[in-house]
Amino acid sequence: QVQLVESGGGLVKPGGSLRLSCAASGFTFSDYYMSWIRQAPGKGLEWVSYISSSGSTIYYADSVKGRFTISRDNAKNSLYLQMNSLRAEDTAVYYCARFPPLSDILTLWGQGTLVTVSS
Amino acid sequence: SSELTQDPAVSVALGQTVRITCQGDSLRSYYASWYQQKPGQAPVLVIYGKNNRPSGIPDRFSGSSSGNTASLTITGAQAEDEADYYCNSRDSSGNRYVFGTGTKVTVL
Repeated sequence: QVQLVESGGGLVKPGGSLRLSCAASGFTFSDYYMSWIRQAPGKGLEWVSYISSSGSTIYYADSVKGRFTISRDNAKNSLYLQMNSLRAEDTAVYYCARFPPLSDILTLWGQGTLVTVSS
Repeated sequence: SSELTQDPAVSVALGQTVRITCQGDSLRSYYASWYQQKPGQAPVLVIYGKNNRPSGIPDRFSGSSSGNTASLTITGAQAEDEADYYCNSRDSSGNRYVFGTGTKVTVL
């Protein structure tokens, strides 16, 4: 079954850290660029970061640059998001999604994992 | 960074046509893609490129673009089309992505 499954969300205090994971199955993970997108409660979608299929190209939204790190392990079919110096405004459902190289379309999304930053 | 602006909400009578627009400078250089999101669910791609639908998306969904504006049209709206719709494109740098502000579609 072609799917993405996020994990690692939870409650964390401001200034804390959390590592999200996204497990891919049913397709050749190493063929795809991957992205993290988030959605604050009751708000719209916000693109967070993407990583190329080899991991050699990475970009971040200004809102997370310097605090978040995206990475992938193609041998484990997994995508990660290390989140440091967390703020209340980082509270959101975090989705991972795949997109084909040379394409700007997110063809498959996970169901998301909730991150809550609160004291 | 670039922004993509959408109307917050639109309504359409059952079986009628509704058009959702997305405005932004980057749309002069890049196509928008459109995502449908129903409550409690992950977004789903409905339109991409010039006017392409993924497999399984009804042909009542169509897309177009002119200048700095991309549009998603639902021709013959159905009750199940009631959802939030987001456009997405690269920003003006071409290296990052940006989502539109989102449009809530209500089918009356």
